[in-house]
Amino acid sequence: QKEVEQDPGPLSVPEGAIVSLNCTYSNSAFQYFMWYRQYSRKGPELLMYTYSSGNKEDGRFTAQVDKSSKYISLFIRDSQPSDSATYLCAMRANSGGSNYKLTFGKGTLLTVNP
Amino acid sequence: GAVVSQHPSRVICKSGTSVKIECRSLDFQATTMFWYRQFPKQSLMLMATSNEGSKATYEQGVEKDKFLINHASLTLSTLTVTSAHPEDSSFYICSARNGVGTGELFFGEGSRLTVL
Repeated sequence: QKEVEQDPGPLSVPEGAIVSLNCTYSNSAFQYFMWYRQYSRKGPELLMYTYSSGNKEDGRFTAQVDKSSKYISLFIRDSQPSDSATYLCAMRANSGGSNYKLTFGKGTLLTVNP
Repeated sequence: GAVVSQHPSRVICKSGTSVKIECRSLDFQATTMFWYRQFPKQSLMLMATSNEGSKATYEQGVEKDKFLINHASLTLSTLTVTSAHPEDSSFYICSARNGVGTGELFFGEGSRLTVL
């Protein structure tokens, strides 16, 4: 079993739809959870950062973490064509230092159709 | 947000040559930088952790003599792919950790290497 599982999609939705993206993980030591957006042939861009369980909202984006189920989600409300990208979940166990190792999911390719 | 610049964005080289990729943190000092490799439709795989003023720490299976990493200053790390072969063709991405705030990683734009 991989440490982080993410459905690669592709996921296609109409403009204005609510998008739900998720990842599961097996390492109970993970404490920090992130979502990155990656446009084609570009580097990842940090969208959301969450520590431990709970919800975090930023504009149209909401991140949820359920550590008991080892499940994290990213919701996008009122999706726009500009949201079309690959969304990568990432997580790490420790608090920093040189052992700052992120484990990534494979990414989910999202297309929002106008 | 913080800016990490990576250069070149694309490079094509002949088999057997060496290629250097630069990663710069433009508006913060990064004591630690990370180098990733990403194949099409695959996730980012950490290759090595680059620490300013010391040797890089390589992940298991990554040849340190093949992928030379130098982190000479707090704002610059370089990855040199030595004696490149077609199987080294990939998307290489660097990231830098901002030591303040959340301390999260910021990524460069990536460098696409094609070895003929």
